[in-house]
Amino acid sequence: EAQVTQNPRYLITVTGKKLTVTCSQNMNHEYMSWYRQDPGLGLRQIYYSMNVEVTDKGDVPEGYKVSRKEKRNFPLILESPSPNQTSLYFCASSNSGRAAYEQYFGPGTRLTVT
Amino acid sequence: DQQVKQNSPSLSVQEGRISILNCDYTNSMFDYFLWYKKYPAEGPTFLISISSIKDKNEDGRFTVFLNKSAKHLSLHIVPSQPGDSAVYFCAASGSFGNEKLTFGTGTRLTIIP
Repeated sequence: EAQVTQNPRYLITVTGKKLTVTCSQNMNHEYMSWYRQDPGLGLRQIYYSMNVEVTDKGDVPEGYKVSRKEKRNFPLILESPSPNQTSLYFCASSNSGRAAYEQYFGPGTRLTVT
Repeated sequence: DQQVKQNSPSLSVQEGRISILNCDYTNSMFDYFLWYKKYPAEGPTFLISISSIKDKNEDGRFTVFLNKSAKHLSLHIVPSQPGDSAVYFCAASGSFGNEKLTFGTGTRLTIIP
C-alpha cells in the first residue's frame, strides 16, 4: 500500500531533550516536507527537500533540523525542544520536485513538550 | 505576515446546496494554488489545484476559480454532501525553483443534512 508513515504518533517529552520524528514513504517520491499545525495558524511548512541531499527552509524552520540521506526517509530533528514546539506535525511527499503538485500526507505526530 | 488568508474560520451549508470557500493571497509571485481537505485525526488530502495561467479548473463536484487581479481564489462544491464536512486549506507555491508551500489558516465546513 502506498503510504507515508510517521513515528511516533504521539510523544510527550521535556524541554531540552533531543528527539527525532521519523518519516518514510514507499512511493519513490522526490519531494518531501514537514509541516506543523497549530490552532488559528493553519499548516506551516518547516523544511522541505526536493531530492536526496537537497533541503531548504520553509516558513518556520527555527529550532528544527532535517536530513535527506535516502530518498524514502526524511527525519525531523528537534535538538533542544521547547514548549512552543508543542504541535501536530505532518510529513508529506510528492511525486515530483515541485511543491505545486499533489502531496500525500502522513497521519500526523502529536508532540507535547513540557 | 500571513501571505495566504482564509478569513472565514467556519461555514455551514445545507446538503445539496453550493458551498463556496474563499482564499486571498498577498504574494504576486505565487504561481500555483491548491486546496486540501482535512478530516479530524487524519493528514490532509489533496483536492484540486490551479495554475496561475488559468482562471478555472473543474473536477467533478469541485471547481476552483482564480482571480489574479484580485489575488483571490475560491472553491465551489456543488452539490454539497455530508461527507464534505471537513476543514479546507488553500495553499500557494511559487514558480519553478521556489518550492515552499504556504497554507492558509483553514475553513471548517459543516454540511447540514
